[in-house]
Amino acid sequence: QSVLTQPPSASGTPGQRVTISCSGSSSNIGRNSVDWYQQLPGTAPKLLIYSNDQRPSGVPDRFSGSKSGTSASLAISGLQSEDEADYYCATWDDVLNGPVFGGGTKLPVL
Amino acid sequence: EVQLVESGGGLVQPGGSLRLSCAASGFTVSSNYMSWVRQAPGKGLEWVSVVYSGGSTYYADSVKGRFTISRDISKNTVYLQMNNLRAEDTAVYYCARGIRGVIPFDYWGQGTLVAVSS
Repeated sequence: QSVLTQPPSASGTPGQRVTISCSGSSSNIGRNSVDWYQQLPGTAPKLLIYSNDQRPSGVPDRFSGSKSGTSASLAISGLQSEDEADYYCATWDDVLNGPVFGGGTKLPVL
Repeated sequence: EVQLVESGGGLVQPGGSLRLSCAASGFTVSSNYMSWVRQAPGKGLEWVSVVYSGGSTYYADSVKGRFTISRDISKNTVYLQMNNLRAEDTAVYYCARGIRGVIPFDYWGQGTLVAVSS
């Protein structure tokens, strides 16, 4: 059971806009910024969004993040086949005193 | 170029020990927060341990008292000594660098598989 709650799956077709939610509590998302990671099949996770809505260099602006209260969202616009991956949200938890992750959302591009 | 290369994984019996290594290049581990994150087969990500730039260490409750994180500055390498291993420790173990603190993790290694089974 993960501390942060994500839908186990999402789906979309090429060109569509998809959003993935991440729900937490006052001890984690409510007090700290949220990061998002993309894990392509058989590879290590890659930082996609940090500090709620910041993109590292090289990440396309099709990817965007937002946070409100104890929830966060990742949006992918203009979905492409190479976006087929697992997506994880993460943040710091002040009670557990360490990083926590969501359970991950599998995104097939149909 | 920043690189993290893990090694040391393998098959071990329950109750056994293993030491993982994470060799870093392109930066100095002593200037960063270095973590181990694991992923059980078909499951999500779980943070395991961190060594701060100042040398302090912290652990997830699931491994506290059994795992020890350390670093060798001369070799620019981070280690994870794992003792009293359990079946539930079976996972791919990733080494990851924190950008300005523990998180976010901006660089990850390729991972090393640890399988605990009799």
